[in-house]
Amino acid sequence: GAVVSQHPSRVICKSGTSVKIECRSLDFQATTMFWYRQFPKQSLMLMATSNEGSKATYEQGVEKDKFLINHASLTLSTLTVTSAHPEDSSFYICSAPARGRQYTDTQYFGPGTRLTVL
Amino acid sequence: GESVGLHLPTLSVQEGDNSIINCAYSNSASDYFIWYKQESGKGPQFIIDIRSNMDKRQGQRVTVLLNKTVKHLSLQIAATQPGDSAVYFCAENANTGNQFYFGTGTSLTVIP
Repeated sequence: GAVVSQHPSRVICKSGTSVKIECRSLDFQATTMFWYRQFPKQSLMLMATSNEGSKATYEQGVEKDKFLINHASLTLSTLTVTSAHPEDSSFYICSAPARGRQYTDTQYFGPGTRLTVL
Repeated sequence: GESVGLHLPTLSVQEGDNSIINCAYSNSASDYFIWYKQESGKGPQFIIDIRSNMDKRQGQRVTVLLNKTVKHLSLQIAATQPGDSAVYFCAENANTGNQFYFGTGTSLTVIP
């Protein structure tokens, strides 16, 4: 199956600093990627759609100036959490659609990045 | 549809029994659904998918049932094993840009 990687897997930062998380599609190209946030014992909440070569599309209630998304190539999207605060501590997961065995556009997920803001 | 940030319901089953995990989806326009398995600290793993032109699809030890009338999905796991212990999510897509929205999820615990 398609492989999506994320880096770093874990990051701890001080309040007020910015953190960049990378999402890569390793064996396929992705013109769109998706960023999710997941709090402990809760579901995945879609934050934004990352579009290669154009602006990201944010879900309602997600601050675009807080969560900067850059999709500079067909295999890389980055999420930057700016001026991070403890409430931004979460598990951030990216996904990319890839052609499945039978259906198109099956979503494959990265392993996630655990962000802890002190 | 939007993701629901509620705390996870739980399901405990005996090893070897069958498990049924349910999911109610929100968007009547959704036409593609995926079940994911998520182990602690990891990203979701694809299990099985189904399109709205089907009401049942089977995989290896898993079956997904779709009832569009009541907007309900279920995942059946046959002969549940300890390795099946995880959180299971359904995700829906309305074919309007590939966005997937996740249901609440169910935490499955298999008792040896």
